Amino acid sequence: QVQLQQWGAGLVRPSETLSLTCGVYGGSFTGYNWTWIRHLPGKGLEWVGEINHHGATNCHPSLEKRVTISLDTPKNQFSLTLTSVTAADTAVYYCARGSRFRFLPIWGQGTLVTVSS
Amino acid sequence: DIVMTQSPLFLPVTPGEPASISCRSSQTLLDSEGYNHFNWYLQKPGRAPQLLIYLCSSRPSGVPDRFRASGSGTECTLKISTVEADDVGIYYCMQGLHTPHTFGGGTTVEIK
Repeated sequence: QVQLQQWGAGLVRPSETLSLTCGVYGGSFTGYNWTWIRHLPGKGLEWVGEINHHGATNCHPSLEKRVTISLDTPKNQFSLTLTSVTAADTAVYYCARGSRFRFLPIWGQGTLVTVSS
Repeated sequence: DIVMTQSPLFLPVTPGEPASISCRSSQTLLDSEGYNHFNWYLQKPGRAPQLLIYLCSSRPSGVPDRFRASGSGTECTLKISTVEADDVGIYYCMQGLHTPHTFGGGTTVEIK
């Protein structure tokens, strides 16, 4: 049974960089799309981006200048960095494993990231 | 971006009764292989979303068979045959065919 465990700083200062990592336990990267989703407070869910096992990425156009999604295959981890954060980036961030059809059956536990000075 | 529109926004339900939620997309989500790329998730407070339905009609193992869905290329309707108290939460549809993948605004299901 594949499980995702995520970690990272819960408080980030404005203009600094948000960094989150998702560990993949009980499975490999091959054949899946590794995805980041965020839940903005008072709003719904927003797709942030994804990376496949070859390292090819897709990111939300509104974030792509600030987002990097990367893979560390030997460590069975993938990561999200978001630069120049503002209060609007405050959200619960989830990592998830996507199928080739992009539905998401497996999720991490979520990390609340607050952008505040 | 593809816009996903859910209705209703709020759905009070009675245990034992059926319920349904509709999701419409601004473009067709039917691919060349005939797959309809609507997916349904249920999010409970403080929890990650849970996949209920994928490709508008398939149910992952472990999801009760009271959850079913069907639709065409621009709509998919989730139906709960007999609502249980544990079904409360926010239901989201999502499309995974075109990037950026987009979610509906959510339907809050509560017990009357």
